[in-house]
Amino acid sequence: DVKVTQSSRYLVKRTGEKVFLECVQDMDHENMFWYRQDPGLGLRLIYFSYDVKMKEKGDIPEGYSVSREKKERFSLILESASTNQTSMYLCASRTSWTPLSVYTQYFGPGTRLTVL
Amino acid sequence: GQNIDQPTEMTATEGAIVQINCTYQTSGFNGLFWYQQHAGEAPTFLSYNVLDGLEEKGRFSSFLSRSKGYSYLLLKELQMKDSASYLCAVRDTLDSSYKLIFGSGTRLLVRP
Repeated sequence: DVKVTQSSRYLVKRTGEKVFLECVQDMDHENMFWYRQDPGLGLRLIYFSYDVKMKEKGDIPEGYSVSREKKERFSLILESASTNQTSMYLCASRTSWTPLSVYTQYFGPGTRLTVL
Repeated sequence: GQNIDQPTEMTATEGAIVQINCTYQTSGFNGLFWYQQHAGEAPTFLSYNVLDGLEEKGRFSSFLSRSKGYSYLLLKELQMKDSASYLCAVRDTLDSSYKLIFGSGTRLLVRP
């Protein structure tokens, strides 16, 4: 059974703090993603990673960085948290595209981050 | 620009049929996904369409018309547990990343 886990379900931090969100998948997937989900805006891609040590910016990378040192783990870092980063953060993973693959992304349960 | 539109909210009655529409305008197209997301939980995959037509999977069916940039998710014999948000997402081939572009989601409320 596929499994994507995230380190915390709920997190409360203060403005200016450095925040680490961890995501682990046990499916040996090459590709991993970080999204944020806000009411009325849907899921927006922050960063993604093709493979270990590889990363690419998504649509809203400002204020975030990522780390992928091991294949199963993808970390999202808020260098200096701000109140506008209060959101639900979702991690996802998928296998690399193959011609006949549905190419489904599997999501973790999410981390609801509040920045005070 | 990239745009995916779906209704914000819908209400339906238990046992009925509901159709959730999704229209898209993207630079490229290589498939459309529907996900279900219960409140406070992760999105889960429901269906995938890459060719025109209807894909049926039990009580759920998904339709695609690429020429119209249009898809719908059809839920039959509604159950209370179908109350959730339904997310439409398009796989874009503009670059090599095969990113998914998500709509804002449609919140479906099923009433007894």
